[in-house]
Amino acid sequence: QLQLQESGPGLVKPSETLSLTCTVSGGSISSSSYYWGWIRQPPGKGLEWIGSIYYSGSTYYNPSLKSRVTISVDTSKNQFSLKLNSVTAADTAVYFCARRASGTSHFDYWGQGTLVTVSS
Amino acid sequence: QSVLTQTPSASGTPGQRVTISCSGSSSNIGSNSVNWYHQLPGTAPKLLIYSNNQRPSGVPDRFSGSKSGTSASLAISGLQSDDEADYYCAAWDDSLNGQVFGTGTKVTVL
Repeated sequence: QLQLQESGPGLVKPSETLSLTCTVSGGSISSSSYYWGWIRQPPGKGLEWIGSIYYSGSTYYNPSLKSRVTISVDTSKNQFSLKLNSVTAADTAVYFCARRASGTSHFDYWGQGTLVTVSS
Repeated sequence: QSVLTQTPSASGTPGQRVTISCSGSSSNIGSNSVNWYHQLPGTAPKLLIYSNNQRPSGVPDRFSGSKSGTSASLAISGLQSDDEADYYCAAWDDSLNGQVFGTGTKVTVL
């Protein structure tokens, strides 16, 4: 059974960089059949797609966040990561990692999510 | 920022049928398939419907999806107390070259 698990600091100071890692178990991140994505949800609000990455390193970012986001993949560790710089309180959210099959648009497996609070 | 618009809330009594709508545009729903997720408080979203009307393994046939033009709908028949959750539609957007989600609908079982 595929499992995804987010990890990283739960508290980040304003103007600093938010860094999260998603560890994939029960399957290979190097499969050519899947993309791996990050989605976030501010407290009490809806879902926002941040970006996605293919095992080869090809990335797609939400245009509204593109200037501040970097998603990378480490196939040796079966992990992919998110970096969001110059954070503000508006970036406080639960961050989810998820899997999407190539040629489709739906995320079929999700991590449990991790809350990141931006505060001094 | 949500590109797809949903009714904020919907409700029904056990056994009733509830329909949730999702409105988009030609660059998303109008040209791509729609997916639906449901989310219980404090948990991750779970895929409910994909490719407009397909159910993943394990999702009961009480849940059905449809699409027409730039709008989509999710129907829940035989409403149960366990169906009380937030529901989100989603689609690929060709203009943004990325995923867009709906504003979400909270379903309450009276």
